[in-house]
Amino acid sequence: QVQLVQSGAEVKKPGASVKVSCKASGYIISNHYMHWVRQAPGQGLEWMGQIVPSDGDRSNYAQKFQGRVTMTSDTSTSTVYMELSSLRSEDTAVYYCARDEGHYGDSLYWGQGTLVTVSS
Amino acid sequence: QSALTQPASVSGSPGQSITISCTGTSSDVGANNYVSWYQQHPGKAPNLVIYEVSNRPSGVPDRFSGSKSGNTASLTISGLQAEDEADYYCNSHTTSSSYVFGSGTKVTVL
Repeated sequence: QVQLVQSGAEVKKPGASVKVSCKASGYIISNHYMHWVRQAPGQGLEWMGQIVPSDGDRSNYAQKFQGRVTMTSDTSTSTVYMELSSLRSEDTAVYYCARDEGHYGDSLYWGQGTLVTVSS
Repeated sequence: QSALTQPASVSGSPGQSITISCTGTSSDVGANNYVSWYQQHPGKAPNLVIYEVSNRPSGVPDRFSGSKSGNTASLTISGLQAEDEADYYCNSHTTSSSYVFGSGTKVTVL
């Protein structure tokens, strides 16, 4: 069965970078786009970007995160990564990976979420 | 890209029907039929209930239905049940090949 397992919680200082992993199983990762979505405490969902996991790692980022986010993949380990740099307190959130089912924005499978806390 | 506009809260009694609106622009909701809806219970990952405006994934009760008119999409829950109490978010593909979520609606079952 399809599973997305994310890396554990992180605590970072302002200005640092964080790299969250999402290990997929039960399917071939290059066959599906992967989205990254975040949710600040008590707030709504926010789309960060998407990647086509492959040797080329074609990706598309939300304008808000352009220049600060990088999404990559390692097909040999079926893992997708999201790295966010220049962290600030407003980046404190739960970060989710979510597999696109091919109908533009429909994600049946989500990771369990990774809490990233940015604090001095 | 600004978040799509949803009412902050909607409530109804068990068995009633409620409708949640999701208003965007001609660059997102009005541009295509790629609107999806997610249900999220506290502390959990979102759960897809509607995709492509009105399609239900396997396993989602037919009490959930979706529609769209112009720049506004809607999610209707008929025969409201206690377990439907959750936050609901719409999501739309945009003309810039990105996605935007709605602001979220808290559904309360009275």
